[in-house]
Amino acid sequence: DSGVTQTPKHLITATGQRVTLRCSPRSGDLSVYWYQQSLDQGLQFLIQYYNGEERAKGNILERFSAQQFPDLHSELNLSSLELGDSALYFCASSPLTGEAYEQYFGPGTRLTVT
Amino acid sequence: GESVGLHLPTLSVQEGDNSIINCAYSNSASDYFIWYKQESGKGPQFIIDIRSNMDKRQGQRVTVLLNKTVKHLSLQIAATQPGDSAVYFCAERWSNTGKLIFGQGTTLQVKP
Repeated sequence: DSGVTQTPKHLITATGQRVTLRCSPRSGDLSVYWYQQSLDQGLQFLIQYYNGEERAKGNILERFSAQQFPDLHSELNLSSLELGDSALYFCASSPLTGEAYEQYFGPGTRLTVT
Repeated sequence: GESVGLHLPTLSVQEGDNSIINCAYSNSASDYFIWYKQESGKGPQFIIDIRSNMDKRQGQRVTVLLNKTVKHLSLQIAATQPGDSAVYFCAERWSNTGKLIFGQGTTLQVKP
Protein backbone atom coordinates (compact mmCIF):
# COMPACT_ATOMS: atom_id res chain seq x y z
CA ASP A 1 0.00 0.00 0.00
CA SER A 2 1.58 3.24 -1.19
CA GLY A 3 -0.56 5.51 0.97
CA VAL A 4 -2.09 7.19 -2.07
CA THR A 5 -5.80 6.63 -2.49
CA GLN A 6 -7.90 7.04 -5.60
CA THR A 7 -11.63 6.93 -6.11
CA PRO A 8 -13.51 5.46 -7.76
CA LYS A 9 -11.73 2.23 -8.69
CA HIS A 10 -13.87 1.70 -11.75
CA LEU A 11 -15.98 4.07 -13.78
CA ILE A 12 -18.16 3.29 -16.78
CA THR A 13 -19.73 6.15 -18.65
CA ALA A 14 -20.94 7.15 -22.09
CA THR A 15 -19.34 9.30 -24.74
CA GLY A 16 -19.92 13.01 -24.27
CA GLN A 17 -20.18 12.73 -20.52
CA ARG A 18 -18.03 14.33 -17.82
CA VAL A 19 -16.36 12.56 -14.90
CA THR A 20 -14.25 13.52 -11.91
CA LEU A 21 -11.48 11.35 -10.55
CA ARG A 22 -10.25 11.95 -7.05
CA CYS A 23 -6.85 11.46 -5.45
CA SER A 24 -5.62 11.78 -1.88
CA PRO A 25 -1.83 11.95 -1.63
CA ARG A 26 0.29 10.39 1.07
CA SER A 27 0.23 12.29 4.32
CA GLY A 28 2.69 15.17 4.08
CA ASP A 29 3.25 14.96 0.32
CA LEU A 30 2.78 18.31 -1.38
CA SER A 31 3.02 17.20 -5.00
CA VAL A 32 0.39 15.33 -6.95
CA TYR A 33 0.83 13.94 -10.45
CA TRP A 34 -1.72 12.53 -12.86
CA TYR A 35 -0.97 9.88 -15.47
CA GLN A 36 -2.95 8.11 -18.15
CA GLN A 37 -2.10 4.53 -19.05
CA SER A 38 -3.56 2.93 -22.11
CA LEU A 39 -2.51 -0.16 -24.04
CA ASP A 40 -1.33 1.71 -27.11
CA GLN A 41 0.17 4.79 -25.44
CA GLY A 42 1.84 3.42 -22.35
CA LEU A 43 2.13 5.64 -19.30
CA GLN A 44 1.60 9.29 -20.17
CA PHE A 45 2.28 12.13 -17.78
CA LEU A 46 -0.65 14.55 -17.72
CA ILE A 47 -0.06 17.21 -15.11
CA GLN A 48 1.61 17.98 -11.78
CA TYR A 49 0.50 20.17 -8.90
CA TYR A 50 2.59 21.34 -6.01
CA ASN A 51 0.95 22.79 -2.94
CA GLY A 52 -2.09 23.90 -4.90
CA GLU A 53 -0.33 25.30 -7.95
CA GLU A 54 0.28 23.79 -11.36
CA ARG A 55 3.95 22.85 -11.64
CA ALA A 56 4.38 20.91 -14.88
CA LYS A 57 2.18 19.99 -17.78
CA GLY A 58 2.41 16.97 -20.03
CA ASN A 59 0.16 15.55 -22.72
CA ILE A 60 -3.07 16.74 -21.19
CA LEU A 61 -5.96 17.44 -23.54
CA GLU A 62 -7.90 20.69 -23.34
CA ARG A 63 -10.99 18.64 -22.42
CA PHE A 64 -9.18 17.58 -19.27
CA SER A 65 -8.45 19.74 -16.26
CA ALA A 66 -7.15 19.23 -12.77
CA GLN A 67 -6.81 21.07 -9.52
CA GLN A 68 -5.30 20.60 -6.11
CA PHE A 69 -7.23 21.78 -3.10
CA PRO A 70 -5.96 23.36 0.15
CA ASP A 71 -6.12 19.96 1.89
CA LEU A 72 -3.83 18.73 -0.93
CA HIS A 73 -6.23 16.26 -2.46
CA SER A 74 -6.57 16.55 -6.20
CA GLU A 75 -9.25 16.03 -8.79
CA LEU A 76 -8.93 15.27 -12.49
CA ASN A 77 -11.91 16.34 -14.56
CA LEU A 78 -12.49 14.70 -17.92
CA SER A 79 -15.19 16.18 -20.14
CA SER A 80 -16.74 15.48 -23.56
CA LEU A 81 -15.49 11.94 -23.15
CA GLU A 82 -14.50 9.93 -26.19
CA LEU A 83 -13.99 6.21 -26.63
CA GLY A 84 -10.25 6.79 -26.77
CA ASP A 85 -10.27 8.21 -23.25
CA SER A 86 -10.81 4.72 -21.89
CA ALA A 87 -7.71 4.00 -19.84
CA LEU A 88 -6.26 3.61 -16.39
CA TYR A 89 -5.71 6.93 -14.66
CA PHE A 90 -3.08 7.00 -11.96
CA CYS A 91 -2.34 9.58 -9.37
CA ALA A 92 1.05 9.77 -7.68
CA SER A 93 2.41 11.92 -4.90
CA SER A 94 5.81 12.97 -3.67
CA PRO A 95 7.14 15.20 -0.93
CA LEU A 96 9.23 17.12 -3.45
CA THR A 97 11.56 18.28 -0.74
CA GLY A 98 14.78 19.59 -2.20
CA GLU A 99 15.80 17.35 -5.09
CA ALA A 100 13.69 14.38 -3.98
CA TYR A 101 11.45 13.11 -6.72
CA GLU A 102 10.40 9.64 -5.68
CA GLN A 103 6.76 9.22 -6.60
CA TYR A 104 4.25 6.94 -4.92
CA PHE A 105 1.44 5.74 -7.15
CA GLY A 106 -2.13 5.03 -6.22
CA PRO A 107 -4.03 1.93 -7.38
CA GLY A 108 -5.59 3.79 -10.30
CA THR A 109 -9.07 4.43 -11.64
CA ARG A 110 -10.16 2.37 -14.61
CA LEU A 111 -12.31 4.48 -16.90
CA THR A 112 -14.38 2.80 -19.58
CA VAL A 113 -16.17 5.03 -22.07
CA THR A 114 -18.90 3.26 -24.06
CA GLY B 1 11.41 13.98 -30.48
CA GLU B 2 10.25 13.10 -27.00
CA SER B 3 10.69 9.42 -26.50
CA VAL B 4 12.18 7.01 -24.09
CA GLY B 5 12.41 3.65 -25.73
CA LEU B 6 13.07 0.18 -24.45
CA HIS B 7 15.21 -2.19 -26.46
CA LEU B 8 13.24 -5.37 -25.70
CA PRO B 9 9.52 -5.57 -25.08
CA THR B 10 9.79 -8.94 -23.26
CA LEU B 11 12.66 -10.44 -21.31
CA SER B 12 12.53 -14.02 -20.09
CA VAL B 13 15.07 -15.19 -17.51
CA GLN B 14 15.64 -18.21 -15.33
CA GLU B 15 15.08 -17.84 -11.61
CA GLY B 16 18.38 -17.02 -9.93
CA ASP B 17 19.94 -15.45 -13.01
CA ASN B 18 20.69 -11.78 -13.33
CA SER B 19 18.40 -9.60 -15.46
CA ILE B 20 19.33 -6.54 -17.45
CA ILE B 21 16.65 -4.23 -18.79
CA ASN B 22 17.77 -1.51 -21.15
CA CYS B 23 16.36 1.86 -22.03
CA ALA B 24 17.33 4.60 -24.48
CA TYR B 25 16.36 8.20 -23.83
CA SER B 26 16.25 11.07 -26.23
CA ASN B 27 16.74 14.29 -24.27
CA SER B 28 20.35 15.02 -23.37
CA ALA B 29 19.05 17.75 -21.02
CA SER B 30 17.22 15.25 -18.81
CA ASP B 31 18.52 15.52 -15.28
CA TYR B 32 16.85 12.65 -13.49
CA PHE B 33 15.94 9.08 -14.34
CA ILE B 34 13.69 6.61 -12.61
CA TRP B 35 12.88 2.93 -12.89
CA TYR B 36 9.40 1.71 -11.98
CA LYS B 37 7.95 -1.78 -11.60
CA GLN B 38 4.31 -2.43 -12.35
CA GLU B 39 2.66 -5.67 -11.36
CA SER B 40 -0.59 -6.73 -12.92
CA GLY B 41 -3.54 -4.72 -11.59
CA LYS B 42 -1.38 -2.35 -9.57
CA GLY B 43 0.09 1.10 -9.94
CA PRO B 44 3.78 1.60 -10.80
CA GLN B 45 6.13 1.16 -7.90
CA PHE B 46 9.35 3.14 -7.56
CA ILE B 47 12.45 0.94 -7.72
CA ILE B 48 15.47 3.18 -8.01
CA ASP B 49 16.48 6.56 -9.38
CA ILE B 50 19.65 8.24 -10.56
CA ARG B 51 20.61 11.83 -11.19
CA SER B 52 22.43 12.88 -14.31
CA ASN B 53 25.63 13.67 -12.38
CA MET B 54 26.01 10.00 -11.48
CA ASP B 55 26.72 6.96 -13.63
CA LYS B 56 25.83 4.19 -11.21
CA ARG B 57 23.58 3.69 -8.24
CA GLN B 58 22.93 0.54 -6.26
CA GLY B 59 19.95 -0.54 -4.26
CA GLN B 60 18.88 -3.80 -2.78
CA ARG B 61 19.49 -6.37 -5.57
CA VAL B 62 19.12 -3.62 -8.17
CA THR B 63 21.64 -1.41 -9.89
CA VAL B 64 20.98 1.40 -12.32
CA LEU B 65 23.63 2.43 -14.81
CA LEU B 66 23.55 5.66 -16.75
CA ASN B 67 25.63 6.30 -19.85
CA LYS B 68 25.05 9.88 -20.89
CA THR B 69 27.39 9.62 -23.87
CA VAL B 70 25.02 7.27 -25.65
CA LYS B 71 21.90 8.27 -23.70
CA HIS B 72 21.39 4.82 -22.30
CA LEU B 73 19.96 3.62 -19.01
CA SER B 74 19.89 0.09 -17.67
CA LEU B 75 18.42 -1.72 -14.72
CA GLN B 76 20.21 -4.76 -13.39
CA ILE B 77 18.40 -7.15 -11.09
CA ALA B 78 20.57 -9.67 -9.29
CA ALA B 79 19.38 -13.20 -8.53
CA THR B 80 16.02 -12.66 -10.21
CA GLN B 81 13.07 -14.10 -8.33
CA PRO B 82 9.53 -15.01 -9.43
CA GLY B 83 8.28 -11.95 -7.57
CA ASP B 84 10.29 -9.78 -9.94
CA SER B 85 7.96 -10.71 -12.80
CA ALA B 86 6.33 -7.46 -13.85
CA VAL B 87 6.49 -4.68 -16.40
CA TYR B 88 9.43 -2.33 -15.90
CA PHE B 89 9.33 1.28 -17.03
CA CYS B 90 12.13 3.76 -17.30
CA ALA B 91 11.36 7.47 -17.13
CA GLU B 92 13.35 10.63 -17.72
CA ARG B 93 12.66 14.08 -16.37
CA TRP B 94 13.22 17.04 -18.63
CA SER B 95 15.02 19.55 -16.46
CA ASN B 96 13.54 22.61 -18.15
CA THR B 97 9.89 21.64 -17.73
CA GLY B 98 9.87 19.00 -15.02
CA LYS B 99 7.98 16.79 -17.45
CA LEU B 100 8.36 13.03 -17.01
CA ILE B 101 8.56 10.87 -20.11
CA PHE B 102 8.01 7.15 -19.67
CA GLY B 103 9.19 4.33 -21.87
CA GLN B 104 6.74 1.80 -23.23
CA GLY B 105 7.74 -0.84 -20.72
CA THR B 106 9.55 -4.19 -20.74
CA THR B 107 7.85 -7.30 -19.48
CA LEU B 108 10.12 -9.42 -17.32
CA GLN B 109 9.16 -13.08 -17.09
CA VAL B 110 10.95 -15.23 -14.54
CA LYS B 111 10.95 -18.95 -15.23
CA PRO B 112 11.13 -21.25 -12.19
